[in-house]
Amino acid sequence: DMKVTQMPRYLIKRMGENVLLECGQDMSHETMYWYRQDPGLGLQLIYISYDVDSNSEGDIPKGYRVSRKKREHFSLILDSAKTNQTSVYFCASSLSWGGPNTGQLYFGEGSKLTVL
Amino acid sequence: GQQVKQSSPSLTVQEGGISILNCDYENDMFDYFAWYKKYPDNSPTLLISVRSNVDKREDGRLTVFLNKSGKHFSLHITASQPEDTAVYLCAAGANQGGSAKLIFGEGTKLTVSS
Repeated sequence: DMKVTQMPRYLIKRMGENVLLECGQDMSHETMYWYRQDPGLGLQLIYISYDVDSNSEGDIPKGYRVSRKKREHFSLILDSAKTNQTSVYFCASSLSWGGPNTGQLYFGEGSKLTVL
Repeated sequence: GQQVKQSSPSLTVQEGGISILNCDYENDMFDYFAWYKKYPDNSPTLLISVRSNVDKREDGRLTVFLNKSGKHFSLHITASQPEDTAVYLCAAGANQGGSAKLIFGEGTKLTVSS
């Protein structure tokens, strides 16, 4: 059905608590991404995953880690959340470079995280 | 520093006019350029993209112009309509490890007034 699903959509946590954001896709895309969106900053790349257990830091990885144990599932983990991690987090997926629709990212609906 | 930059945070255009959205990038290794559209509380969706071997691509009311020597690309929307009101995100990237690594600009909020 060509869908990227994020859970939860909304989350409120206290500073120091752990956060797990989950993302699934049903397109068998090799590549998955986590971005965060903040006002005036656009989408900033946190991590990129090329396939299962093949992850690479993006531009702002500090304070985050990821896990990809199945091709269709990619998790973002915040160990001991900080208030400056309050943001909207977007997961995306894409086919490998060189295939059809090279470069096209399919985004989930976003997860709005508030850290108090 | 910001590798992909949209210098105009907002733009207002009259209905029926041409909307011109601009994007500058720094990395001359980028060879893929795209525009995404985002409505409030929705996810970004791809509008149009080009590879570096072309300098123009049209799709209906949308045209992307690429100026590689100037490290600049733009999106022109002709006959702008109120439903074009949204945030437009430019993105540039290249192949990294067999995947697309895309860097996004800050976004330009386009308002088409009727």
